Amino acid sequence: GNSVTQMEGPVTLSEEAFLTINCTYTATGYPSLFWYVQYPGEGLQLLLKATKADDKGSNKGFEATYRKETTSFHLEKGSVQVSDSAVYFCALREIGNEKLTFGTGTRLTIIP
Amino acid sequence: EPEVTQTPSHQVTQMGQEVILRCVPISNHLYFYWYRQILGQKVEFLVSFYNNEISEKSEIFDDQFSVERPDGSNFTLKIRSTKLEDSAMYFCASSMTGATNEKLFFGSGTQLSVL
Repeated sequence: GNSVTQMEGPVTLSEEAFLTINCTYTATGYPSLFWYVQYPGEGLQLLLKATKADDKGSNKGFEATYRKETTSFHLEKGSVQVSDSAVYFCALREIGNEKLTFGTGTRLTIIP
Repeated sequence: EPEVTQTPSHQVTQMGQEVILRCVPISNHLYFYWYRQILGQKVEFLVSFYNNEISEKSEIFDDQFSVERPDGSNFTLKIRSTKLEDSAMYFCASSMTGATNEKLFFGSGTQLSVL
């Protein structure tokens, strides 16, 4: 079956540091890949997505590239801010399948 | 941006009791979902609902669970006889078309504690 494995947290970084949160997946077909973010007290929100190999999703300075050869979709940001503190979820969804398959989430804390 | 709202934010119940978790999806959305996250574990799919019927459900969604859209605006998840292992954060979500690459709009969740 499908699965998503993402970097265990929590992750603590200083402001302006470089961020990578690793995500790898297992899927039987050709899934769409997503990063969702959950800020304190809020629901999960879509951060970015990519729908086919070599696509790059980007939003709010975050980027992730759909790498079919390594089955990965790592999240990166060049310079994090305190406001990026949140829980980040990697997820996939296959064509014809209703469900999103999530990773465990990575809690990110940015200190000034 | 439009929001999915969930009530209550916290629910405490005794084992064996029935609970109903409530959600108001975005008004022009057609696809509705419930997910849950047990503390420290992955967010898990429970059920999807379209055109007034369940379109897909996971193995977690057994006979103790049911969903309903009673009035065209609310979307509810009922657990008939709660167990300790039902303690989790329950998220409702909705989307417009159900397309594979479409984003889901999630509520902020209901934390269910079964004692």
